[in-house]
Amino acid sequence: SAVISQKPSRDICQRGTSLTIQCQVDSQVTMMFWYRQQPGQSLTLIATANQGSEATYESGFVIDKFPISRPNLTFSTLTVSNMSPEDSSIYLCSVEVETANTEAFFGQGTRLTVV
Amino acid sequence: RKEVEQDPGPFNVPEGATVAFNCTYSNSASQSFFWYRQDCRKEPKLLMSVYSSGNEDGRFTAQLNRASQYISLLIRDSKLSDSATYLCVVTTGGFKTIFGAGTRLFVKA
Repeated sequence: SAVISQKPSRDICQRGTSLTIQCQVDSQVTMMFWYRQQPGQSLTLIATANQGSEATYESGFVIDKFPISRPNLTFSTLTVSNMSPEDSSIYLCSVEVETANTEAFFGQGTRLTVV
Repeated sequence: RKEVEQDPGPFNVPEGATVAFNCTYSNSASQSFFWYRQDCRKEPKLLMSVYSSGNEDGRFTAQLNRASQYISLLIRDSKLSDSATYLCVVTTGGFKTIFGAGTRLFVKA
């Protein structure tokens, strides 16, 4: 299993500012994933963060808006830049661990409100 | 067409009822299948994996139909604590994990 500590758990931010979300995992993992979950919607993958290389972004997400750091195998940050109210959402980090299948573990989520 | 589709519900059932959720997926090359549970304002957590032969864990039974590309979750003897959103999750090759939008369940006393 994996235990992920994500912070902050929530924030209210002014439009135009940036917020950095941190995730710390209790074990070394190759890939960390960042998701966004808007109210009543499914989880949407923003990017995959690999240690030692640039993150891989999904369609509709760009590095300038969502810069990611992955300085080591247990830590990653996601920054939401130049925020607008449309960025209000829950942001989740995740890792996948090989068990009988591949199980995804999530951080507790960051509930972001942009005003 | 969405890659993973679920009936969003909500399903409102009394305690003790049996309730079933279905989920369809579009990619026939999908490899692994799961049901996750997400409580209100919480992160998703694995409920159970879904195997080709079907599997049961207490009151929960999951089944996979590859030919029709759907998976199901059956909950027997519903409890109040079963109230949550149930996410259908499918993984394809290349570490791609796709989440359904979830089915909301409310179990009432």
